[in-house]
Amino acid sequence: ETGVTQTPRHLVMGMTNKKSLKCEQHLGHNAMYWYKQSAKKPLELMFVYNFKEQTENNSVPSRFSPECPNSSHLFLHLHTLQPEDSALYLCASSQDQGTGELFFGEGSRLTVL
Amino acid sequence: GDSVTQMEGPVTLSEEAFLTINCTYTATGYPSLFWYVQYPGEGLQLLLKATKADDKGSNKGFEATYRKETTSFHLEKGSVQVSDSAVYFCALAGTNSGYALNFGKGTSLLVTP
Repeated sequence: ETGVTQTPRHLVMGMTNKKSLKCEQHLGHNAMYWYKQSAKKPLELMFVYNFKEQTENNSVPSRFSPECPNSSHLFLHLHTLQPEDSALYLCASSQDQGTGELFFGEGSRLTVL
Repeated sequence: GDSVTQMEGPVTLSEEAFLTINCTYTATGYPSLFWYVQYPGEGLQLLLKATKADDKGSNKGFEATYRKETTSFHLEKGSVQVSDSAVYFCALAGTNSGYALNFGKGTSLLVTP
């Protein structure tokens, strides 16, 4: 069992749907992250939470809405997405923000039709 | 801002060949440098890191040396195995990004028997 678990692993949604991605970490870490991985592009940092507080929002469109109810759980709520939002969304955690040692989940593969 | 540039792939090698994957960075101050590896169908895993100039990170036969004079952190392995087939990401954490990780685009490595 990995320390960071993401669900669902695969998601297909239409542009008018509302869905959510879930991430849970069992490592006792204080910081959690959402990254977007698209083919032939660097990983894009989307959001950072440290002790449940959002500390980074990398100019992400409002159709992506993060939620961090506690240090162990992180959600990414999706609404009226575009086909170009299709990607692998990776969740990660670290002991504290800024340590650089991130532990990643296996990702949620999102396809927007 | 901070950025990482790594060589384009894919890289195809025969088993037991020598591997080098180039990585150069742009950053102010003294960033920490990392190599992450992503095996097929999995999330990213930390492979090795170096936090100051002339440090050498090593793990599983892989090595990389933090060269401030050439702003480089090239990944090397003396004898690759089929099981090393994966995508390798160079990354840095520096003051400009609040110590959040900036990743390169990744280099795909395929090792053939």
